[in-house]
Amino acid sequence: EAGVTQFPSHSVIEKGQTVTLRCDPISGHDNLYWYRRVMGKEIKFLLHFVKESKQDESGMPNNRFLAERTGGTYSTLKVQPAELEDSGVYFCASSQSHRFTYEQYFGPGTRLTVT
Amino acid sequence: AQSVTQLDSQVPVFEEAPVELRCNYSSSVSVYLFWYVQYPNQGLQLLLKYLSGSTLVKGINGFEAEFNKSQTSFHLRKPSVHISDTAEYFCAVIRRGGTSYGKLTFGQGTILTVHP
Repeated sequence: EAGVTQFPSHSVIEKGQTVTLRCDPISGHDNLYWYRRVMGKEIKFLLHFVKESKQDESGMPNNRFLAERTGGTYSTLKVQPAELEDSGVYFCASSQSHRFTYEQYFGPGTRLTVT
Repeated sequence: AQSVTQLDSQVPVFEEAPVELRCNYSSSVSVYLFWYVQYPNQGLQLLLKYLSGSTLVKGINGFEAEFNKSQTSFHLRKPSVHISDTAEYFCAVIRRGGTSYGKLTFGQGTILTVHP
């Protein structure tokens, strides 16, 4: 079984540009999460999809961030326009809904650097 | 709201020595507790979890953790570490009930470095 994959692994962009991060969850996982770790800080929750619906987007920093999950499969996180403080590692995770284990499976992350 | 504090940002230890990584949490509601590990250039991997039952939980790679409700702690231990245990370790909680598959709240992480 393939794990959670994220693309790209690294992205370097200039302030004001747009970047789109992609996450492919484990097949059959209805729950998909985005997290972010800014350098020196803890990993913080951004949002949670159940299938294609946003269950909780309380962690999204501002309206420059837009997350979508097409057809309940892969998800994209777009940052437009990017600011310096958006630099960090963006993690995606997925989990099943019908197993009471609460385990989230994480991807390797996308390291975003805004210069 | 929940918060998690990992009391040590870095823990150096020699190979075959015991290690304890400390984690305290604060929450107004009951939580489930987790330890994740991140090896270099990899995603986070679940080490162990406490959902209910015995307060001593065993995980992968010889790690174990003990839930202490009165002290709101969930410290991670291993009696004898290996070089391959060098990684960053994260303590995390999820609120019980409500949206049960919801967000993890993480501590700041502890970098464990095992020296030969």
